[in-house]
Amino acid sequence: DQQVKQNSPSLSVQEGRISILNCDYTNSMFDYFLWYKKYPAEGPTFLISISSIKDKNEDGRFTVFLNKSAKHLSLHIVPSQPGDSAVYFCAVTTSGTYKYIFGTGTRLKVLA
Amino acid sequence: NAGVMQNPRHLVRRRGQEARLRCSPMKGHSHVYWYRQLPEEGLKFMVYLQKENIIDESGMPKERFSAEFPKEGPSILRIQQVVRGDSAAYFCASTLDNRRSPLHFGNGTRLTVT
Repeated sequence: DQQVKQNSPSLSVQEGRISILNCDYTNSMFDYFLWYKKYPAEGPTFLISISSIKDKNEDGRFTVFLNKSAKHLSLHIVPSQPGDSAVYFCAVTTSGTYKYIFGTGTRLKVLA
Repeated sequence: NAGVMQNPRHLVRRRGQEARLRCSPMKGHSHVYWYRQLPEEGLKFMVYLQKENIIDESGMPKERFSAEFPKEGPSILRIQQVVRGDSAAYFCASTLDNRRSPLHFGNGTRLTVT
């Protein structure tokens, strides 16, 4: 029962271009969405989040878009840098509960 | 990942031995989670604890695995009689509360069972 899916296991992007990572979820009760970045041999690092009352949240080069009707979440990184090369996980939860459910991750490679 | 401390970083155990993984949450955080990551897989929820209470352990195998978060000291994930299939990275995360607060992760303990 995969409630959160990241259908692209990997993505390669040229330095300076936009990286778009996607995430789909199944339960409309989820109302808080997060993106994490993970380097090898390290723990996931929180990047950016969005609540269901918004459809966009921006922090520097990172923007998260939420399409509630499609139950779709995306992370845009622009411009992409080689240091962005990592595995990116989306996570979802419902406020007031404790369950954070993670996707399987997308490995981003930014080519110099 | 500053703040959530996990130790040891690497742990090697022979089959049948016990593994103890420790996690000190970020200062002020009273909610602790344990996740497991198998090679080439995502993060799988194991257990959620608050101080002195196990709230949800539905992601933990029913045998050999246990977790605690005592009033004083770190949270402990304990695996008894380890088997090769327990080899994985175990991540601890903490959060301030469960109202739209992000989880903050430690750097994990990489368990290898030989």
